Amino acid sequence: TQLLEQSPQFLSIQEGENLTVYCNSSSVFSSLQWYRQEPGEGPVLLVTVVTGGEVKKLKRLTFQFGDARKDSSLHITAAQPGDTGLYLCAGANNAGKSTFGDGTTLTVKP
Amino acid sequence: GAVVSQHPSRVICKSGTSVKIECRSLDFQATTMFWYRQFPKKSLMLMATSNEGSKATYEQGVEKDKFLINHASLTLSTLTVTSAHPEDSSFYICSASGQGRGDTQYFGPGTRLTVL
Repeated sequence: TQLLEQSPQFLSIQEGENLTVYCNSSSVFSSLQWYRQEPGEGPVLLVTVVTGGEVKKLKRLTFQFGDARKDSSLHITAAQPGDTGLYLCAGANNAGKSTFGDGTTLTVKP
Repeated sequence: GAVVSQHPSRVICKSGTSVKIECRSLDFQATTMFWYRQFPKKSLMLMATSNEGSKATYEQGVEKDKFLINHASLTLSTLTVTSAHPEDSSFYICSASGQGRGDTQYFGPGTRLTVL
């Protein structure tokens, strides 16, 4: 069974601060996805990374896939209240099955 | 991105009745659909994986006779909660993958089930 450890579980910061969320595993993934979910809604895909060492940027969000494709990070610069939500990482294996992290609940206070 | 819809968004039913939830991929052919259950402020718990035209694969601990899954076409999967009980109350979310989109799963908006 592949495990994906996500940290921190909860994060409460002030508007304008930076933050990083981590996903770590001992398993190699063929791809990894990051999602953001708001209460009462389904997760919305933010990014998919597939190449070891890959870095993708989405406005103030920077995603990195580890060289060995076992870990990933999400960095948010100058967080805003609109960034508040549950962030989920998911690693997919070669069989197409995904393992989800436990999620990071982010609260950005104005 | 890809669009996945779910219907209904909310449903309230009496204990002992059955409820059907539909999941549709609107703009791509979903060779695989997934059904998840989510508890408040928790991550997603995979219930089952279904491939079009074949029987669903259930995760350990999920009763296949209670949670009936049908994936009859490349754009539609259904989850039927049979003989629902209050402990089945939860947020159910489907996702779809396929047609040149790699392993990425695209999620529906979820269905809030309340069993009285």
